[in-house]
Amino acid sequence: GNSVTQMEGPVTLSEEAFLTINCTYTATGYPSLFWYVQYPGEGLQLLLKATKADDKGSNKGFEATYRKETTSFHLEKGSVQVSDSAVYFCALSPQGGGSQGNLIFGKGTKLSVKP
Amino acid sequence: DGGITQSPKYLFRKEGQNVTLSCEQNLNHDAMYWYRQDPGQGLRLIYYSQIVNDFQKGDIAEGYSVSREKKESFPLTVTSAQKNPTAFYLCASTADRGGGNQPQHFGDGTRLSIL
Repeated sequence: GNSVTQMEGPVTLSEEAFLTINCTYTATGYPSLFWYVQYPGEGLQLLLKATKADDKGSNKGFEATYRKETTSFHLEKGSVQVSDSAVYFCALSPQGGGSQGNLIFGKGTKLSVKP
Repeated sequence: DGGITQSPKYLFRKEGQNVTLSCEQNLNHDAMYWYRQDPGQGLRLIYYSQIVNDFQKGDIAEGYSVSREKKESFPLTVTSAQKNPTAFYLCASTADRGGGNQPQHFGDGTRLSIL
């Protein structure tokens, strides 16, 4: 079946450090891949997406590249800020949307950035 | 601005009581979803609806019910049969009726607790 595995948190970094949050997936064909961010007490916001192999999604200094050969979609940012402290979710939508059309989420990775 | 509105933000349920969580969207999206979020478990799908007057059970539908009488609205009722309702509930919608490329848009959530 379809699944998403994220690195477990929490991840604690100092401001301006480099961030990587690993995400690997299991799915048939070519799913669409997403990163969402959740700030405390809020819903999820789309951070970036990629819909085909080798696509790079980017937004607000965050990047992730769809790697079909390693079934990965790792999130990176070159220099984190305190305001990036949040929970990050990797998600996939099966090729063709699947029977439910919903997203399949990883368990989330909590990031804390210290000044 | 278009978006998804969930209400109330906080809700308390007494023993044996049914409570209803509201979800309204003005994005003209066909598909709507309810997720439950528990600490460390990511998001789990409760119910989804891809068109008015039709809805389907997700992975954890027991103890919940929904209706979809209008395109804009997808209320969730947590019944007394749901023995462990304490969680953060998120409503989402997408223009994607199953193609899989479109992201889901989320509301800000309702936090339900037992009195």
